[in-house]
Amino acid sequence: ETGVTQTPRHLVMGMTNKKSLKCEQHLGHNAMYWYKQSAKKPLELMFVYNFKEQTENNSVPSRFSPECPNSSHLFLHLHTLQPEDSALYLCASSQEAGGSYEQYFGPGTRLTVT
Amino acid sequence: GESVGLHLPTLSVQEGDNSIINCAYSNSASDYFIWYKQESGKGPQFIIDIRSNMDKRQGQRVTVLLNKTVKHLSLQIAATQPGDSAVYFCAEIEWEDSSYKLIFGSGTRLLVRP
Repeated sequence: ETGVTQTPRHLVMGMTNKKSLKCEQHLGHNAMYWYKQSAKKPLELMFVYNFKEQTENNSVPSRFSPECPNSSHLFLHLHTLQPEDSALYLCASSQEAGGSYEQYFGPGTRLTVT
Repeated sequence: GESVGLHLPTLSVQEGDNSIINCAYSNSASDYFIWYKQESGKGPQFIIDIRSNMDKRQGQRVTVLLNKTVKHLSLQIAATQPGDSAVYFCAEIEWEDSSYKLIFGSGTRLLVRP
């Protein structure tokens, strides 16, 4: 286990549904990330939070809405998604220490949009 | 049109042989690189990292080589085992002001033949 948990592990939703993905890190890190991993593209960074402040929004459509209530929790709110949004959504956390910039990944949420 | 998945290069090796996985990076100013391993159904896991002031770094059964002249990174796995079967990603760091993000390559699939 990496110390980063994600729920749910699998999610099937219709295009009109609203759902949320949850990520929690137990590592005391100050940065958290959402990535999208699909069969068509390499790992894509979506959002970055540092000390609960969003520092990166990588041109992500507004149907994805992140929330970071504290440095340990990160949410991704989903609404009116498209079938092409089906992918593995990965959460990661990090804290720069001793020159290492390793990001610790959760197991991901496999999302299927029908 | 038909959807086509991302074609991952695949390296097939015999158990016990050494594996070499290659990666080309784009930014000559990148000063930090990481290798990740992703097994089926899991998130990426850190393997080893290297700073640009080094040419080589060794871990347990793994060695990363960095050639800055040609912007090339390689991961060598000694005595490859069935448990090494996974997709391997390299990532380079990209700085923006005081924050950073990792830019991931598309990955190489390693298959270990028993």
